[in-house]
Amino acid sequence: NAGVTQTPKFQVLKTGQSMTLQCAQDMNHNSMYWYRQDPGMGLRLIYYSASEGTTDKGEVPNGYNVSRLNKREFSLRLESAAPSQTSVYFCASRTEGDYEQYFGPGTRLTVT
Amino acid sequence: GNSVTQMEGPVTLSEEAFLTINCTYTATGYPSLFWYVQYPGEGLQLLLKATKADDKGSNKGFEATYRKETTSFHLEKGSVQVSDSAVYFCALSGGSNYKLTFGKGTLLTVNP
Repeated sequence: NAGVTQTPKFQVLKTGQSMTLQCAQDMNHNSMYWYRQDPGMGLRLIYYSASEGTTDKGEVPNGYNVSRLNKREFSLRLESAAPSQTSVYFCASRTEGDYEQYFGPGTRLTVT
Repeated sequence: GNSVTQMEGPVTLSEEAFLTINCTYTATGYPSLFWYVQYPGEGLQLLLKATKADDKGSNKGFEATYRKETTSFHLEKGSVQVSDSAVYFCALSGGSNYKLTFGKGTLLTVNP
């Protein structure tokens, strides 16, 4: 039981490049979330998915897109990376009826 | 909207000292409250939680009591260890979408 896994762990992009951050969970959770963590800002919600086939915007969705590929996988795409998107990105999942979220180890992204 | 305010760090203590990290919140309705911990280079882990007023969450020697009258959920530990060095996040979850709202985090360093 791996929990929530994320790939890659580290990534450096140039401004304007695109990439997709991958997230998978093996806990059969319905809900999945993407957060970004910036110094002094805590974690801010980018997008979430309450169930397979549905996605909704969070607090800071601009510049991102998401895909809930199936129940296990929830990917985050940066179409044209900007230096302001330099951050640590965390994926999380939650089981139905419980408020607790389980987090992955994070992806550290630098955009130059 | 919901918000969480927690004590700014960094906090530096000697081993066996008493720890308090203050957390207050603003929310409509009756949120659930959480403390998450992030060890260096890792994702967030749930430390403890409380789902209703006057509940006390506890884990690994840490405690926090849900105080509705003061809208607070302060984290305490009687005797900290070097291994407690981490970033601590206060968070709340409320409403039908189960989203978490995080405080900005408090860095704790415990010296031997």
